[in-house]
Amino acid sequence: GEDVEQSLFLSVREGDSSVINCTYTDSSSTYLYWYKQEPGAGLQLLTYIFSNMDMKQDQRLTVLLNKKDKHLSLRIADTQTGDSAIYFCAETSPSGGSYIPTFGRGTSLIVHP
Amino acid sequence: DVKVTQSSRYLVKRTGEKVFLECVQDMDHENMFWYRQDPGLGLRLIYFSYDVKMKEKGDIPEGYSVSREKKERFSLILESASTNQTSMYLCASSLRQGSYEQYFGPGTRLTVT
Repeated sequence: GEDVEQSLFLSVREGDSSVINCTYTDSSSTYLYWYKQEPGAGLQLLTYIFSNMDMKQDQRLTVLLNKKDKHLSLRIADTQTGDSAIYFCAETSPSGGSYIPTFGRGTSLIVHP
Repeated sequence: DVKVTQSSRYLVKRTGEKVFLECVQDMDHENMFWYRQDPGLGLRLIYFSYDVKMKEKGDIPEGYSVSREKKERFSLILESASTNQTSMYLCASSLRQGSYEQYFGPGTRLTVT
């Protein structure tokens, strides 16, 4: 089946930028998402990007999509301790007949002072 | 704001008990989903529903059943709870069109003793 891969952990210092990376295998992926999960909570949609876009920016968040390499990244500028969470990458390919996202296993972002 | 609520945040049940987990969404979404989340395994899809009274098996349906009698409500049933069903259960909903992003409830942490 299709796959979404992420590294498990990322540790950064407060005030630095964080970059969380994701690779996927489905060449028909249409929408790619980033979700955030704080401890003991459900997933919260952060942002998503349509496959015909290269970049999307929303305040401190920048999403970059390299469709040729099937690589998605989330950059968080000026990372704060409140950004410590698990970040999930996901994709859907409705043209392939499914609207059900395939999720990565999540990257735990640890922000230390 | 989309709101997905789950009936309990924490639940403790005994082996063999019948367990009901309820999920309600208030945004008239057609699709609803049940996932379980375990450390190191990410999110695994149990069941989903794309309409009232319709249900489809996900990746790990064994030991579970679901019910969708009303559009806004999707119930997960553990017919006879077992210790290996101790987990975090997450409900989500999405539209059947558009960008298909999912909205998650806060989760139910179920412990089966």
